Amino acid sequence: KAGVTQTPRYLIKTRGQQVTLSCSPISGHRSVSWYQQTPGQGLQFLFEYFSETQRNKGNFPGRFSGRQFSNSRSEMNVSTLELGDSALYLCASSLVEANTGELFFGEGSRLTVL
Amino acid sequence: TQLLEQSPQFLSIQEGENLTVYCNSSSVFSSLQWYRQEPGEGPVLLVTVVTGGEVKKLKRLTFQFGDARKDSSLHITAAQPGDTGLYLCAGRRNSGNTPLVFGKGTRLSVIA
Repeated sequence: KAGVTQTPRYLIKTRGQQVTLSCSPISGHRSVSWYQQTPGQGLQFLFEYFSETQRNKGNFPGRFSGRQFSNSRSEMNVSTLELGDSALYLCASSLVEANTGELFFGEGSRLTVL
Repeated sequence: TQLLEQSPQFLSIQEGENLTVYCNSSSVFSSLQWYRQEPGEGPVLLVTVVTGGEVKKLKRLTFQFGDARKDSSLHITAAQPGDTGLYLCAGRRNSGNTPLVFGKGTRLSVIA
């Protein structure tokens, strides 16, 4: 059974640009959550989607947005990139609504902002 | 303010030693999970504890959930180099539909 797939794995952007990250959950999983991981702050919750609806949103500025498609695939977008957005962005899927089940994480997308 | 505080932040021990890492909060959690993350990979679930006072064993790993459901510990017996990694605790608050929040983790290094 394929795991959670995140693309791209690595990317480098410059300040002011925007970026879109993609996440394909495990087949049959309808819940997708996104986290930002940095050495200083650890894993910080960004968003959670279930059946194309955003169920929870973390404390991030409006530059961070996301969506989920009917096939449960999810994307997140960061606009007007700042140096502090450099991080590992992790996507996780869950068989049931994320507030009850185990999260299965992808390997992450490592974003570097120059 | 971090909802879940993990200690120690870093731990380096010799193979064969025992260790305990802690996860503490002033808030009550409906459940706590422990994950391990290795370099270049996402976190992988080790265990979920849901009942206050619950103890779960997974081979050489023992997990405990505090009676008041505010804290948890992970004890590793006879650590091995393969135990090296970032150990993360994560919990869901006892307030309905809330996301899973993580501590900053304990980075464990087991030296052969």
